Amino acid sequence: GESVGLHLPTLSVQEGDNSIINCAYSNSASDYFIWYKQESGKGPQFIIDIRSNMDKRQGQRVTVLLNKTVKHLSLQIAATQPGDSAVYFCAEIGTPTGNQFYFGTGTSLTVIP
Amino acid sequence: DTEVTQTPKHLVMGMTNKKSLKCEQHMGHRAMYWYKQKAKKPPELMFVYSYEKLSINESVPSRFSPECPNSSLLNLHLHALQPEDSALYLCASLGTGDEQYFGPGTRLTVT
Repeated sequence: GESVGLHLPTLSVQEGDNSIINCAYSNSASDYFIWYKQESGKGPQFIIDIRSNMDKRQGQRVTVLLNKTVKHLSLQIAATQPGDSAVYFCAEIGTPTGNQFYFGTGTSLTVIP
Repeated sequence: DTEVTQTPKHLVMGMTNKKSLKCEQHMGHRAMYWYKQKAKKPPELMFVYSYEKLSINESVPSRFSPECPNSSLLNLHLHALQPEDSALYLCASLGTGDEQYFGPGTRLTVT
C-alpha cells in the first residue's frame, strides 16, 4: 500500500498553546486526506478532511494544510486543551478503487495543564 | 442512529477456538471495513466490503473470514488464530462524503 508517515511520534504542548502535527505521504495520486483522533480504548474519530483541490481547510479549532508539491499534510490545533490529548493519525485514500484508506504512523499528543 | 457498534468489546480465545466478531451500522453506508490495530500502531486495513460484496482483501490469512450478511452487518469469523493475532479489531463504515465512521473495536486476546 501507499506510504503515509509522520515526522514526530510524540508531541507535548502546554495547555492554551497551538499544536502542529505533520504528516508526509508518498502517493502523489491520492486525492483525499483525513485526520483522525484516537483516544485510549476507543476507535479513531474523524476530525477534519481535505481534498487535493484545496490547500487549506478550517474546522472548529482545527486547520488542515495540504502542500501537494512536497506531499505534506499538517494538522493545526488552536488553544490546545487537555481533552485534545490523544494519538493523531493522518490517512489517505488509495487508488484506484477509492475505498482503501492507509494510515500514517501516528503522533501522540500530550497536553500539559 | 449515527454510530457503528461492535460486539463483543473484549474476547479471549484459545488457538483451537472458533469465534466471531460483529459490526453493525444503520446509517445506510454501503462500504464497510475491518482493520487490525496493534498497540501503539496505526490501523491496518484487512477487508473492504462494497455493496455487500468483498472488494478488497489485503492478503489476510484465511484464518480470518469476513462475511457481510446484509448492508448493515459485517462479521469477522475467527478460527485457529495465533497469539500474534491478538489486537484491537476495528470496524468502520464509509459515509457519503467519503469520511469513515469507526466503531469502538473488539479487544481480542489469543491464548
